[in-house]
Amino acid sequence: NAGVTQTPKFRILKIGQSMTLQCAQDMNHNYMYWYRQDPGMGLKLIYYSVGAGITDKGEVPNGYNVSRSTTEDFPLRLELAAPSQTSVYFCASSYSQGSGNTIYFGEGSWLTVV
Amino acid sequence: QKEVEQNSGPLSVPEGAIASLNCTYSDRGSQSFFWYRQYSGKSPELIMSIYSNGDKEDGRFTAQLNKASQYVSLLIRDSQPSDSATYLCAVNIKNFGNEKLTFGTGTRLTIIP
Repeated sequence: NAGVTQTPKFRILKIGQSMTLQCAQDMNHNYMYWYRQDPGMGLKLIYYSVGAGITDKGEVPNGYNVSRSTTEDFPLRLELAAPSQTSVYFCASSYSQGSGNTIYFGEGSWLTVV
Repeated sequence: QKEVEQNSGPLSVPEGAIASLNCTYSDRGSQSFFWYRQYSGKSPELIMSIYSNGDKEDGRFTAQLNKASQYVSLLIRDSQPSDSATYLCAVNIKNFGNEKLTFGTGTRLTIIP
């Protein structure tokens, strides 16, 4: 059981380049999330999805896009990379949202924009 | 006021002593509270969840919740060097009708052998 799988693990981008961070889960979870974590900081929610075809903005969505065409996959797109997007990105999933629900994290993707 | 606040530390505790980590939150209606442990370069892993006032024990870990005072704490007994990590407090905060898991900035704990 793989859980939540993210790729790539490390990536260096030049300013203005685009890329997609891939995320897949095999737990049949309805909810999926993308967080970013800057050094010494907590996790900030970028986007989340409550099911296939439904996405919504989190706390820091600017500069990112997402899609959810299947239950399993939730890719995060950076269109015009900026140095401020240098961070560690975590994808996560949960069965539902709200009280008592456990979120499972992927291993993280380290992104540097130069 | 931040939605979830933690002392960033670092907190240094001798091996074998009790480590005490604290967290306060802003939403009086919050019902679910979590402690995650994050080793350097790794993803957060859930170690405790608590939903009712009082104490909840799991091995060497005890979570304490006081909804009236809006704080949640984590005690680690018989601290081990392997407990050295950043501990993230997370609270379900209501936001426009939805609940969102909101994280504090974390407390970095170092256990001194």
